[in-house]
Amino acid sequence: AQSVTQLDSQVPVFEEAPVELRCNYSSSVSVYLFWYVQYPNQGLQLLLKYLSGSTLVKGINGFEAEFNKSQTSFHLRKPSVHISDTAEYFCAVSDTGTASKLTFGTGTRLQVTL
Amino acid sequence: GAVVSQHPSRVICKSGTSVKIECRSLDFQATTMFWYRQFPKQSLMLMATSNEGSKATYEQGVEKDKFLINHASLTLSTLTVTSAHPEDSSFYICSARGPPGVNTEAFFGQGTRLTVV
Repeated sequence: AQSVTQLDSQVPVFEEAPVELRCNYSSSVSVYLFWYVQYPNQGLQLLLKYLSGSTLVKGINGFEAEFNKSQTSFHLRKPSVHISDTAEYFCAVSDTGTASKLTFGTGTRLQVTL
Repeated sequence: GAVVSQHPSRVICKSGTSVKIECRSLDFQATTMFWYRQFPKQSLMLMATSNEGSKATYEQGVEKDKFLINHASLTLSTLTVTSAHPEDSSFYICSARGPPGVNTEAFFGQGTRLTVV
């Protein structure tokens, strides 16, 4: 079984500032890692995913994440945020044998202000 | 990416009635669909996994007789909340995936807000 920890429930940040949303996972097997964004009353949109290969993954909307196996982390970053990035962000993990059965973290609310 | 359509987006029903939520894959064959429930300001909890043509596999603690899941075709899965009660009010989200393979991704519907009054 896997678990995902998102330590920050809320992250306030000013527009054009950089941001990092933290995600740590626990698993006894190899994993795939994902970041999703959810806008109010909507489903989830995939930002990026790590399946294998380069540990630095680039996604949509200028986001990127780095897989760190030794620290079991997959932190999400953006060098300059916009008001429109205000949303809920979920980190998720699946094992490589049953890809797509996802275990989600509790989410981080990114609040971007002027 | 592929499109998954979930309907209705919002539904209000009376306590004791049943409500059906549909999840359709519009441009791919969804061999597997997942149903999640999300409480306010909380994460998504997997309720069940359904494979086309077979019975759904429910997660521990989910009442299969209350949350009926049907995945009769490769493009449609339905979740029926039977004899709904106010505590069933929640945001329900489906996701769909194609045949198993490398890099197989699950695509999410837009969710259904169920309110039981």
